[in-house]
Amino acid sequence: ETGVTQTPRHLVMGMTNKKSLKCEQHLGHNAMYWYKQSAKKPLELMFVYNFKEQTENNSVPSRFSPECPNSSHLFLHLHTLQPEDSALYLCASSLGGDVGVGGYTFGSGTRLTVV
Amino acid sequence: GNSVTQMEGPVTLSEEAFLTINCTYTATGYPSLFWYVQYPGEGLQLLLKATKADDKGSNKGFEATYRKETTSFHLEKGSVQVSDSAVYFCALIYGNNRLAFGKGNQVVVIP
Repeated sequence: ETGVTQTPRHLVMGMTNKKSLKCEQHLGHNAMYWYKQSAKKPLELMFVYNFKEQTENNSVPSRFSPECPNSSHLFLHLHTLQPEDSALYLCASSLGGDVGVGGYTFGSGTRLTVV
Repeated sequence: GNSVTQMEGPVTLSEEAFLTINCTYTATGYPSLFWYVQYPGEGLQLLLKATKADDKGSNKGFEATYRKETTSFHLEKGSVQVSDSAVYFCALIYGNNRLAFGKGNQVVVIP
């Protein structure tokens, strides 16, 4: 247990479904991140939230919609996904002003399969 | 820009062998450097870090030294175990506390 909890661990969804991924941390961190990890590709930073405000969106398709209701929770809402969106989705958190001290803390990820 | 380069390809070695994974970086100034490890089915975990030149990070028998002359942060372990089988990522901080990761190296330790 790293302190960052992601649910569900595994998700299979059809291309017309709507689902949500959840991330929760109680580490007192104020920055949260969504990453996509695909086979044989580098980690892709998708979204960044600082103090609940979205500060970065790396050209992510609109079928991925993040939500950060408070500093402890982060969601990724999914709709009309494509098979190429199948990947491991990782959530991370950090102390926004001083990553150099402890780096990022990652959750275990949600393995998403789009059929 | 700010980037990290790791050696290509997986690393396969026998138990108790010496492990080296190369990492070089390109950055403005002298960023903090990290090694993360990802065990099968898990997320990334911070393995070790170094925040300034000549610092040596160490943890679980792994070591890496921040070399500004060669812009490198190579990971080493003197005697690997099967339980060290994982993917290892080198990373640096840039900009507004963003982490740039290398592509990762799969390490397979054979009994």
